[in-house]
Amino acid sequence: SQTIHQWPATLVQPVGSPLSLECTVEGTSNPNLYWYRQAAGRGLQLLFYSVGIGQISSEVPQNLSASRPQDRQFILSSKKLLLSDSGFYLCALQGGSGVNTEAFFGQGTRLTVV
Amino acid sequence: LAKTTQPISMDSYEGQEVNITCSHNNIATNDYITWYQQFPSQGPRFIIQGYKTKVTNEVASLFIPADRKSSTLSLPRVSLSDTAVYYCLVGGFLLTGGGNKLTFGTGTQLKVEL
Repeated sequence: SQTIHQWPATLVQPVGSPLSLECTVEGTSNPNLYWYRQAAGRGLQLLFYSVGIGQISSEVPQNLSASRPQDRQFILSSKKLLLSDSGFYLCALQGGSGVNTEAFFGQGTRLTVV
Repeated sequence: LAKTTQPISMDSYEGQEVNITCSHNNIATNDYITWYQQFPSQGPRFIIQGYKTKVTNEVASLFIPADRKSSTLSLPRVSLSDTAVYYCLVGGFLLTGGGNKLTFGTGTQLKVEL
């Protein structure tokens, strides 16, 4: 079965500090991978998605970047965090079997920039 | 991707049937309709997916009219634990080497009371 691991669960970082959130998946190969951010009481904002190693598409201009160094690894980064980067970050995978499949989400990381 | 429109919120009582309707006037021929459920501080969870007519599983039913411009998620006999945000997504097939952006709308906040 497909599983997705995301850590840490919570993170408090000062403004201007770097960020690295890692997401790894199991039970599938060549998945579509996604990073979302959710502000308090708001919907999910798609930040990045990746259809393969080294292939990243950015949905909104922002202070963040993403990388996919391996098929089952998706990393969200920032060189200098802003207060507005606070939120709930979710990684998701969608099996790359060629059909419209359900997406699986990680447990999320609650990031607070202070 | 087809844009979706859902009610922002709905209230219900335990034991009642809840129907949440989603409008997707620009749905494409290859698009499927998928519903997700999200509890606070958790990632969304797949509920049900359909293409046309009616789909039923152990937790919900999905009704899709012939023109497919809308869909209705039906939750039978809701309980307090069904209080959550429900998202309707419309998307096409994943293509090998391509991608299918998993874009969420604002969702419907369902509140179930005693």
